[in-house]
Amino acid sequence: DTGVSQNPRHKITKRGQNVTFRCDPISEHNRLYWYRQTLGQGPEFLTYFQNEAQLEKSRLLSDRFSAERPKGSFSTLEIQRTEQGDSAMYLCASSPLLGRNSETQYFGPGTRLLVL
Amino acid sequence: GQNIDQPTEMTATEGAIVQINCTYQTSGFNGLFWYQQHAGEAPTFLSYNVLDGLEEKGRFSSFLSRSKGYSYLLLKELQMKDSASYLCAVRERNTGGFKTIFGAGTRLFVKA
Repeated sequence: DTGVSQNPRHKITKRGQNVTFRCDPISEHNRLYWYRQTLGQGPEFLTYFQNEAQLEKSRLLSDRFSAERPKGSFSTLEIQRTEQGDSAMYLCASSPLLGRNSETQYFGPGTRLLVL
Repeated sequence: GQNIDQPTEMTATEGAIVQINCTYQTSGFNGLFWYQQHAGEAPTFLSYNVLDGLEEKGRFSSFLSRSKGYSYLLLKELQMKDSASYLCAVRERNTGGFKTIFGAGTRLFVKA
């Protein structure tokens, strides 16, 4: 088990471009979360999946953001028409649905996005 | 709405004890977490409290009072490697599922 992985680790893009990030959770983890974190702040909740179902989505998430988890395994987060304010670390986390570790979210290393 | 407050920064001495407080206001409370985050790294889980009382895990302990909307993280026998941000997070249960709200974090500086 290699933990949660995210790709790419860094992304630099120009304003107005679309970007897509990928998250591979720990295998057999049913729950998957996306967060955004800026310097000096805690992670900000974006969205949550249980298997392939997107059960919760932050109202802070504009229509430019979309996330999918089509087969209940890996997930993608797409940002359309990026803005400079989208520059942040995008973190993915996963947790099992049941068991003694079901309360623990295991975070990936994050994708750092810079929008020029 | 949700609101989580914790001090911005704290400084303590190696070998000492430090207590990091967290107060919260939320609906549908379903647990409180503490995470440690070193600069440039992802958060790592430290503790989870859903019932009132103290949970001890090695040098780290976490306390919860649901009626007061209050928690603290206690770090004993501080080591230099404990210098990090400590994030208080509250999980809410909504009709759609769960949502975890993080505080801004407390940056702890451990000095020799």
